[in-house]
Amino acid sequence: DIQMTQSPSSLSASAGDRVTITCRASQSISSYLNWYQQKPGRAPKLLIFAASSLQSGVPSRFSGSGSGTDFTLTISSLQPEDIATYYCQQSYNTAWTFGQGTKVEIE
Amino acid sequence: QVTLRESGPALVKPTQTLTLTCTFSGFSLSTSGMCVTWIRQPPGKALEWLARIDWDDDKYYSTSLKTRLTISKDTSKNQVVLTMTNMDPVDTATYYCARILRTTSAVLIDYWGQGTLVTVSS
Repeated sequence: DIQMTQSPSSLSASAGDRVTITCRASQSISSYLNWYQQKPGRAPKLLIFAASSLQSGVPSRFSGSGSGTDFTLTISSLQPEDIATYYCQQSYNTAWTFGQGTKVEIE
Repeated sequence: QVTLRESGPALVKPTQTLTLTCTFSGFSLSTSGMCVTWIRQPPGKALEWLARIDWDDDKYYSTSLKTRLTISKDTSKNQVVLTMTNMDPVDTATYYCARILRTTSAVLIDYWGQGTLVTVSS
């Protein structure tokens, strides 16, 4: 199976800060990389698909980049409502795998 | 509008078989390209993909759990059923069903159910 490794596992930042989360795949997955946001007690929500495409309705402060094995999710200006855990997920093959998650908190 | 809802027992005993049903609306699993998947999340832990079934009845399973999982669909009822045998306390988790959207360049989950918590305990 393709292993997905996120870093950091958690971070704390101030409102307005630029936040970057990275995701590394154990082999090339082209651009078959999705990012999800999960708030406590809620189902995950799709933010970014195909590495860099913004899902409809998602604020433009979220962006994704990368291809191959290295990917990045960026929040350009952290807002209080962005407090959540973020997961990357590869759909390169039919044995999907998720990263271990990055918990984002406000300082 | 697309909705999915999981149903099944909240509590199962070790060694029992878990049967979960996903009832959905707003799309048909007989439509080319449609897929439904199951994902679980132990309390405080990460998401884990379990299984997927496609409109053409192709089925895919987690490598580590494939000997214990069976996924099936009833297109006429708009339902997908997941069974997991030989349940263990480590299988305690919230189980989600979700719809997969396939495009020319991406495969993604665009709609999720609310999830159902299954506790494995004697």
